[in-house]
Amino acid sequence: DAKTTQPNSMESNEEEPVHLPCNHSTISGTDYIHWYRQLPSQGPEYVIHGLTSNVNNRMASLAIAEDRKSSTLILHRATLRDAAVYYCILRDGGGNYGGSQGNLIFGKGTKLSVKP
Amino acid sequence: DGGITQSPKYLFRKEGQNVTLSCEQNLNHDAMYWYRQDPGQGLRLIYYSQIVNDFQKGDIAEGYSVSREKKESFPLTVTSAQKNPTAFYLCASSIRTGSYGYTFGSGTRLTVV
Repeated sequence: DAKTTQPNSMESNEEEPVHLPCNHSTISGTDYIHWYRQLPSQGPEYVIHGLTSNVNNRMASLAIAEDRKSSTLILHRATLRDAAVYYCILRDGGGNYGGSQGNLIFGKGTKLSVKP
Repeated sequence: DGGITQSPKYLFRKEGQNVTLSCEQNLNHDAMYWYRQDPGQGLRLIYYSQIVNDFQKGDIAEGYSVSREKKESFPLTVTSAQKNPTAFYLCASSIRTGSYGYTFGSGTRLTVV
């Protein structure tokens, strides 16, 4: 499975933008880039996903490098409620579902702290 | 509102006992998943099911069993063969496998006493 690399932790100030990086140099053409976040003692929550083009939704923006080997999750104005572990995950959307292919595989993610 | 319900939220089990964790979804999703999370770690896949009456082992299936008799339900049994069952268990579902996003439940925290 293609892997992702994220920093273990990041800090941000409240109401400032946050850029969470993710490297995925072995990404394949059919891999989608998914981002989830997990608040303490809760299940992960879907944030955003994309394939090639940048994506925006009400929670965040996803900027994908032209060669797709890296991406950045952008929180435009961090709030205290954004403090969580953020996971960057590759998911095969190409229909190759033998074994565990196509399932989400979670690494340790980036723990984001937001200071008031 | 549609979602995934896991119960109970906290569960205590004596060593040597089997215990079953419930997961129900009303999202009409075909695929369902069970993950285990240990403190400070990411999630590891235990079992997944792409369709009713079918399920596959994930990366850490030993000591666990599942069933998928109904589309809405995917219970997980932690058997006495699981050597270190104390963990946070998360159930998820998606429309089907592929690029679709997952919806997660709020988890069950299992402690062996």
